[in-house]
Amino acid sequence: QKEVEQNSGPLSVPEGAIASLNCTYSDRGSQSFFWYRQYSGKSPELIMFIYSNGDKEDGRFTAQLNKASQYVSLLIRDSQPSDSATYLCAVIIETSYDKVIFGPGTSLSVIP
Amino acid sequence: DAGVIQSPRHEVTEMGQEVTLRCKPISGHDYLFWYRQTMMRGLELLIYFNNNVPIDDSGMPEDRFSAKMPNASFSTLKIQPSEPRDSAVYFCASGSGGTWEQYFGPGTRLTVT
Repeated sequence: QKEVEQNSGPLSVPEGAIASLNCTYSDRGSQSFFWYRQYSGKSPELIMFIYSNGDKEDGRFTAQLNKASQYVSLLIRDSQPSDSATYLCAVIIETSYDKVIFGPGTSLSVIP
Repeated sequence: DAGVIQSPRHEVTEMGQEVTLRCKPISGHDYLFWYRQTMMRGLELLIYFNNNVPIDDSGMPEDRFSAKMPNASFSTLKIQPSEPRDSAVYFCASGSGGTWEQYFGPGTRLTVT
């Protein structure tokens, strides 16, 4: 089992809809979770982080964490064509030293 | 504020040549990360430094790869000798306070022929 998994997509949603992106992870001890957005040909950009179970909202973005089920999700409300990008989930694996593992990313396409 | 600066932005080299990639982190950041991104393998952490000291280099693919951070404002990633399978985009990122919030540079696109 891969350490961090995401559906590769592409996920297509109409403009104005809610886009739901999911990420599962294998290390039960993981405490920190991040979502990055990467436009084609550009570098990843941090958009959200979450440390505690539950929801965290920032503008149109909501991160949801469920440690018992080992998943973290990102909801994008009122999706815009400018949200079309690849979304990378990153999980911090805590061992003798911390290590970050990125998921393969989910490609999102918002259709006008 | 200047973000993370990487150079060169593009590098084309022949197999067997030495390649050096450079990174200047955001001022005040005490963590520096080197990543490689390919379509097949995604974004992989190669090595990271804290206060100029390498903490985890388990992602460095083999002895042909080496990284240094001689001071808080400069790091290099060297590949010697380079091979076609090293072709990828190499990103440098920096962060502070151990929060793992990372800010990426624009990347270096390396092509080894």
